[in-house]
Parts: sequence; structure tokens; C-alpha cells
Amino acid sequence: DPKIIQKPKYLVAVTGSEKILICEQYLGHNAMYWYRQSAKKPLEFMFSYSYQKLMDNQTASSRFQPQSSKKNHLDLQITALKPDDSATYFCASSQERGGPYEQYFGPGTRLTVL
Amino acid sequence: AQKVTQTQTSISVVEKTTVTMDCVYETRDSSYFLFWYKQTASGEIVFLIRQDSYKKENATVGHYSLNFQKPKSSIGLIITATQIEDSAVYFCAMREGESNYNVLYFGSGTKLTVEP
Repeated sequence: DPKIIQKPKYLVAVTGSEKILICEQYLGHNAMYWYRQSAKKPLEFMFSYSYQKLMDNQTASSRFQPQSSKKNHLDLQITALKPDDSATYFCASSQERGGPYEQYFGPGTRLTVL
Repeated sequence: AQKVTQTQTSISVVEKTTVTMDCVYETRDSSYFLFWYKQTASGEIVFLIRQDSYKKENATVGHYSLNFQKPKSSIGLIITATQIEDSAVYFCAMREGESNYNVLYFGSGTKLTVEP
């Protein structure tokens, strides 16, 4: 059974619209993260959450808003979508934040903005 | 400035041979953690191996091992007895132990092709 679920797998949106990317982890981890991977850049850290609290935000734009309704959920809301937002978005989790704990990644959501 | 640099864009090897992938990193922290991941053709990102900066011994997991050269800020990944299914993109990553210690910085990746 998959340990980290991301929905949907593929997403097509029009410029200016709003979308929510879903992430659920069943590893019992306390920390969750969002990363973005585009053709132009390597895997890029976006946010980290620990015990449902935002810990790090390295996303310049406020159009990206993480939302954690449960300990094992970390969704990503993206508003006013732009073509440059087209990328694969990966959710990850680790036992605890920081330290030696390796992060485990979900399968990703590929977002295309037209 | 990029914190993690992988200069090898792609490598091609014959199966059952050994391959080494290079990675250099940059940090001012005295404590940090280094990771290698691979991304398969399907896009799945898989954790492979970790090296803690304070450990002198090179980490080894299965047919993956690391060549940690701290004075050179270098962490190479060695894959022995390569198999066709090792074909993937390999990413080096670093997490600092003091500043921004929740952030995992990735290199740009090295594409490995293992041929029969």
C-alpha cells in the first residue's frame, strides 16, 4: 500500500484559476513538506510543517498556501495560477523535522497551467 | 549560491560494473546531513543512503556506498555491481544541522544509464 498519497496525479488548470493539491501520509511521521520540480530548476524546497505548524517557508509568493487539517495531511492551495507554476509538486514526510531524519517522497502531482 | 552541485549531467556504464557519481556541497554549519536519492523513470523519488557529517566512516547500504571527503566538501555515491534497473536520475541533497535545518537542498541530478 502506498505510504504517501498525492491527489490528483495529473492536473490541468487555466491561468488565473485556483487548485488544491492533496497529500496524505501513513508513515506516522510528524513533519511534512512540499517540494517543486520543474524543467528549469532542481527539486526546490517550498514549505515544512511540524505537528501541523508551519516551520519554514521558502516560497516567495503568497499564492501558495499550505493547509494542514490533520496531522497526516498537508494540502497545497495555489491561487491565481500562472503558466510558470507548471511543475511536478512533491509532498514528503519525515519522522521529525531537522536532524538526520531522511525524508520520504510521495509520487507527485504534475500540474500544467495553460 | 547553489549549496549542492552535481557536475556530471549523465553517465553511461555497462551492467555489473562500478560507477561513482560526484557531489560537492557548501555550508558554514559544523553539523550537517547528506543524502542521496534516486528518481526513477516513473518519477518516483526514493531515498538511498545518508551520511552524517560527524561520522568518519563512509555509509554503506546494500550495493550503495559513499565516499565522504569532508575537507573537500565532497560526498560521492558509489554503486557496485550495477544493474539495468539502477538506471535513474540520482540526486545529492544536504540538510544543515544549525541554520535552516528543516530545508533539504538538492543538486541538479546525474542521469545514470546502465546498459547490457
